[in-house]
Amino acid sequence: DAGVIQSPRHEVTEMGQEVTLRCKPISGHNSLFWYRQTMMRGLELLIYFNNNVPIDDSGMPEDRFSAKMPNASFSTLKIQPSEPRDSAVYFCASSFRHNRSPLHFGNGTRLTVT
Amino acid sequence: QQQVKQSPQSLIVQKGGISIINCAYENTAFDYFPWYQQFPGKGPALLIAIRPDVSEKKEGRFTISFNKSAKQFSLHIMDSQPGDSATYFCAASMSSGNTPLVFGKGTRLSVIA
Repeated sequence: DAGVIQSPRHEVTEMGQEVTLRCKPISGHNSLFWYRQTMMRGLELLIYFNNNVPIDDSGMPEDRFSAKMPNASFSTLKIQPSEPRDSAVYFCASSFRHNRSPLHFGNGTRLTVT
Repeated sequence: QQQVKQSPQSLIVQKGGISIINCAYENTAFDYFPWYQQFPGKGPALLIAIRPDVSEKKEGRFTISFNKSAKQFSLHIMDSQPGDSATYFCAASMSSGNTPLVFGKGTRLSVIA
């Protein structure tokens, strides 16, 4: 089991550029979550999917953020255009069932927007 | 509105001492309370979890204490070791419905020799 795989591990970009973060969940898991972690706000849930369908995107901060899950083994989180305040660590997590099954997190993508 | 409040924000404990992290929740429908441990450069990982039908759960040096009437639960790390230095998150969720985990803001624990 390779775990949840996120890429890239680090991303440095200039303000205004498009950023795409990628996630491969654990095979067989049917729930996928995108979180953002900052010192000030801790772990914030941005959006989650069940069976590839977005269930709740109320945590997405602005329309600049979008997420897709075209199939059970791949998801993307896109920020367009990026801003310095988007700098954070973005985590993807997956689980078999979302409510009591353990969440398995990837190692995150550290995004820096200059 | 923060549904799970965690304290302290940071904690320094001597090696061999007891580390205690507290969480309080507001939603009485929560019925699953896990703790996650995060090392630098890694994602959080499940450490231990409890359900409200028991008041305590112990796994090795880690114990969760749960007080349903006070809507509080805590993590105790006995004989704390430098390898326990990490950020700890409490969380809560409802087993019914379609709601994911709600996390506390985390506690950065440093165990010093």
